[in-house]
Amino acid sequence: DAGVIQSPRHEVTEMGQEVTLRCKPISGHDYLFWYRQTMMRGLELLIYFNNNVPIDDSGMPEDRFSAKMPNASFSTLKIQPSEPRDSAVYFCASSHRNSPLHFGNGTRLTVT
Amino acid sequence: KQEVTQIPAALSVPEGENLVLNCSFTDSAIYNLQWFRQDPGKGLTSLLLIQSSQREQTSGRLNASLDKSSGRSTLYIAASQPGDSATYLCAVTQGGSEKLVFGKGMKLTVNP
Repeated sequence: DAGVIQSPRHEVTEMGQEVTLRCKPISGHDYLFWYRQTMMRGLELLIYFNNNVPIDDSGMPEDRFSAKMPNASFSTLKIQPSEPRDSAVYFCASSHRNSPLHFGNGTRLTVT
Repeated sequence: KQEVTQIPAALSVPEGENLVLNCSFTDSAIYNLQWFRQDPGKGLTSLLLIQSSQREQTSGRLNASLDKSSGRSTLYIAASQPGDSATYLCAVTQGGSEKLVFGKGMKLTVNP
């Protein structure tokens, strides 16, 4: 298994631009999570899905952020418009219920 | 609201020492607890998962214990090696949810 695959690995964009982060979970996993990591705040859960349905999006900072999971093998996290304070490492992770969480290598987003 | 604390934030030790890493959580009604390792520029790797009904889990030189009533977990690393240098994070899930709440991690440096 290739593990959780995220793209791109790095993204540099200007303030106001749209950013789309992509994730392919491990095949067969029914839970998918989006986390954001910063030095100040650590790892924060943004949203998670079960069987492609959003279960808890209480961590999504504001309406500029949106996430979709159109099928079991693909998810996107979109930021529109982006702001410098969105700069962080964004992780996607997947798992079965009550099982170890598997993380991708993350997307490092820099908004200038 | 569940809060997870890891103290100290960093630790530097000589090779060969036996180590104890601490994790505390404020709400004892957890579903499970996981310990992760994070190497620079990488995602998190799950090391051990302890169910709420278990007291400990072991994998190789690693042993994790859980005391729900006191809101504490420890990760024991035997005979530390330079390759153990990384950031170690603990995380808990609440009953009825797959949402993981993370501590901010402890950066471990094992010096040869």
